[in-house]
Amino acid sequence: RKEVEQDPGPFNVPEGATVAFNCTYSNSASQSFFWYRQDCRKEPKLLMSVYSSGNEDGRFTAQLNRASQYISLLIRDSKLSDSATYLCVVNTGRWSGTYKYIFGTGTRLKVLA
Amino acid sequence: GAGVSQSPRYKVAKRGQDVALRCDPISGHVSLFWYQQALGQGPEFLTYFQNEAQLDKSGLPSDRFFAERPEGSVSTLKIQRTQQEDSAVYLCASSRGAGEHYEQYFGPGTRLTVT
Repeated sequence: RKEVEQDPGPFNVPEGATVAFNCTYSNSASQSFFWYRQDCRKEPKLLMSVYSSGNEDGRFTAQLNRASQYISLLIRDSKLSDSATYLCVVNTGRWSGTYKYIFGTGTRLKVLA
Repeated sequence: GAGVSQSPRYKVAKRGQDVALRCDPISGHVSLFWYQQALGQGPEFLTYFQNEAQLDKSGLPSDRFFAERPEGSVSTLKIQRTQQEDSAVYLCASSRGAGEHYEQYFGPGTRLTVT
C-alpha cells in the first residue's frame, strides 16, 4: 500500500462547480500536511498547508481528519485556471530521523468552459 | 529574489553515460531535497540535506545515484552508468528551515532522457 494515496482522476468539472479531492495517508505519526499544485511540465508549487483545525484561503478549503488519516481539498466556484494536478503531501516528521516529504500521485482536475 | 535554479534543464544521455545535475537553492535555505518524477506520477523522494549533511538517502534507487552538497549550498546529483529506467524529471527543492512545517520551493527540474 502506498504511503499517500490519491484518486488520479481526471476530474472534469464545469466552470463554477465545486469539486473535492481526498487523500489518505498510512503513517499515523505523520506531522504535517500540504496541498501542492502542479501545472503541466512545471514544478510543484505550494497551494496551502493543512492544519488540524482546517483552513480556508479564498475559494480553497483544506481539512485534516487524523482519526481516519485523510486530508481533503475543496475548491468552490471553479475557474478555468484551476485546471492542474493537485498533489497531496505528507511529512513524516522528526520521529523518523529525517524530514521526509511523501507525495501522492496527484489528482488531475480539468475545468471546462 | 531568485528562486531555485537547476541545470541543465534538459539532458539526453546514451545508456551507460554518467550525468551530473546541478541545483542552486534559494540563498540561505538550510534544507535541500532531490526528487525523481516519472510521467503521470508524483515526485518520489530521493535524498535530503540539512546544510552540508546528507541526513537521508533512503530514496536513492541504487548505488549508481550519488548526491552531494559540500558547502551547504549548491548540490549535485550524479547518476553513473545511466539506464533507460532513469529517464525522468529530477526536481530539487529547498526550504528555509529544518523542520516539517516549512514550505518547499521547487526548481524547474531537469528532464533526463536516456536513449
